[in-house]
Amino acid sequence: DAGVIQSPRHEVTEMGQEVTLRCKPISGHDYLFWYRQTMMQGLELLVYFNNKAVMDDSGMPKDRFSAKMPNASFSTLKIQPSEPRDSAVYFCASRIGAETQYFGPGTRLLVL
Amino acid sequence: SQQGEEDPQALSIQEGENATMNCSYKTSINNLQWYRQNSGRGLVHLILIRSNEREKHSGRLRVTLDTSKKSSSLLITASRAADTASYFCATDANNYQLIWGAGTKLIIKP
Repeated sequence: DAGVIQSPRHEVTEMGQEVTLRCKPISGHDYLFWYRQTMMQGLELLVYFNNKAVMDDSGMPKDRFSAKMPNASFSTLKIQPSEPRDSAVYFCASRIGAETQYFGPGTRLLVL
Repeated sequence: SQQGEEDPQALSIQEGENATMNCSYKTSINNLQWYRQNSGRGLVHLILIRSNEREKHSGRLRVTLDTSKKSSSLLITASRAADTASYFCATDANNYQLIWGAGTKLIIKP
């Protein structure tokens, strides 16, 4: 199995621009998680899906962030407009049932 | 949100020594998991211990769980340079979310 795939791996953008992060979970996994990791805040859960439905997005700033999972093999996290404080590493993870999470390599985002 | 706390925040030991990291949490759990993160990489699952288990082994890793004290420890025996990483505990409280600690940064000196 290829594992969780994220793209892009690195993204540098200017404040105000739209950023779209992509994730392909492991085939057959029914849960998908988006995390953000910074030195100051550590690992934060932004949103998670079960069978493509949003289960909890309370950790996600609703005014600028949106997450979608149009099918079982693809999810996006969009930031519009981006701000410098959004600079972080964004991880996608998937799991099947109540078992361990498998993380992607992350997208390192820098907003100038 | 983060409710787990790892202790210590950072640990530096000589290669070959044992490393012990601790994790405390606040609510009842279904299971507790330990993950490793190498610099610039994603997190990798190491071991899962269920609430009805007290100890679990995997290679050089030994995890204990004390639900009465709401704490867990991760022991890495005979440490190697490749063990240099950050280690996170995460608790699953039956709602399919993991609650993460802040991590312990482990440095193994050659």
